[in-house]
Amino acid sequence: DQQVKQNSPSLSVQEGRISILNCDYTNSMFDYFLWYKKYPAEGPTFLISISSIKDKNEDGRFTVFLNKSAKHLSLHIVPSQPGDSAVYFCAASDTYGGSQGNLIFGKGTKLSVKP
Amino acid sequence: NAGVTQTPKFRILKIGQSMTLQCTQDMNHNYMYWYRQDPGMGLKLIYYSVGAGITDKGEVPNGYNVSRSTTEDFPLRLELAAPSQTSVYFCASSHRQPEAFFGQGTRLTVV
Repeated sequence: DQQVKQNSPSLSVQEGRISILNCDYTNSMFDYFLWYKKYPAEGPTFLISISSIKDKNEDGRFTVFLNKSAKHLSLHIVPSQPGDSAVYFCAASDTYGGSQGNLIFGKGTKLSVKP
Repeated sequence: NAGVTQTPKFRILKIGQSMTLQCTQDMNHNYMYWYRQDPGMGLKLIYYSVGAGITDKGEVPNGYNVSRSTTEDFPLRLELAAPSQTSVYFCASSHRQPEAFFGQGTRLTVV
């Protein structure tokens, strides 16, 4: 049973527009959420994170929003650039619980930003 | 800083063979992890370590073994390779949970 779900396998956006990647989770004990970006033939790289005590975290063009009541988070990229084309993984952690802070990953969303 | 280094990058194994995937990090991180990623799937945790001499099972440990004799190294051993172990393997390390730095991956095919 998937605890972290990314229901859109792919997303295509025009350069300069906003990209919105979504992620849902089922475990209410998750208290820390991260987004990783992955290019082909490379390992995932950390992009941005958010603690459950916040509902928004911003870093340059990247903003993550957390809606705890809906168990939903989203990553906004504004403006989108062709170099943002990659697979984006949502991950969650239950810092003080049974998973001992280990990450649970979604299946990823492949973002294509067209020039 | 090299970060997290994995070797080899690619390997083809025959069913029943064994091999060790090497992972080393130069960031003096206490936490190290092994993940596998199957096509179209997210990363699943195989084993992890919170420090030298301490290892524990993740979500999918069957068919694998690990050791952590030093802070830097965290090798993953496959005994009796099976086609179900065909995957891309990622090693990662972190100073504090849960942000982790990943290696470039090892693509393993078992035929």
